[in-house]
Amino acid sequence: DAMVIQNPRYQVTQFGKPVTLSCSQTLNHNVMYWYQQKSSQAPKLLFHYYDKDFNNEADTPDNFQSRRPNTSFCFLDIRSPGLGDAAMYLCATSRARPPGQKDNEQFFGPGTRLTVL
Amino acid sequence: QKEVEQDPGPLSVPEGAIVSLNCTYSNSAFQYFMWYRQYSRKGPELLMYTYSSGNKEDGRFTAQVDKSSKYISLFIRDSQPSDSATYLCAPDKAAGNKLTFGGGTRVLVKP
Repeated sequence: DAMVIQNPRYQVTQFGKPVTLSCSQTLNHNVMYWYQQKSSQAPKLLFHYYDKDFNNEADTPDNFQSRRPNTSFCFLDIRSPGLGDAAMYLCATSRARPPGQKDNEQFFGPGTRLTVL
Repeated sequence: QKEVEQDPGPLSVPEGAIVSLNCTYSNSAFQYFMWYRQYSRKGPELLMYTYSSGNKEDGRFTAQVDKSSKYISLFIRDSQPSDSATYLCAPDKAAGNKLTFGGGTRVLVKP
């Protein structure tokens, strides 16, 4: 089945130790997103790729970086995790919406829960 | 003021009851209105979407949008324990693919 896969599902890192989260998709969607979701809060968009074009949200800290080496894979790098970065990180994909097309479903992976010690 | 607001709940109802969920937003540029369902420890999944004002029905689910009051509703009829989840409203602007999620309302349907 076509899907969005995130690895690992659970990641534990130490304060300040770089960590990389990965996302892959078999949907062949050209848009990929990374969200941060803290407990009982809304998913917060960090950045997204439209094909190879990187789009950073204005309030995303510099500590968060992303790479998309090809259509299928996207990585989230946290350069120096702080205690406040402990959260669920969600990857999502969508097709770019052609003009006149109204639906815009984003397909989410199961998330990676990050713990910072 | 947050762009999208939802009562966090939890909203606890007996099986078979109607669940009524609401969401308000402040950005008049929103044109598309999505409801996502998120089970515990899972990613959100799209439940329904509505374009502009009006109603949309899909099985036991009905979505309503009132753009004049910036108010979005989701109704679940004949609720089941499997409907227990967090429901996130997510409006979108006319162009682009960016969603703005509300904080979600946790729903518990008791057998």
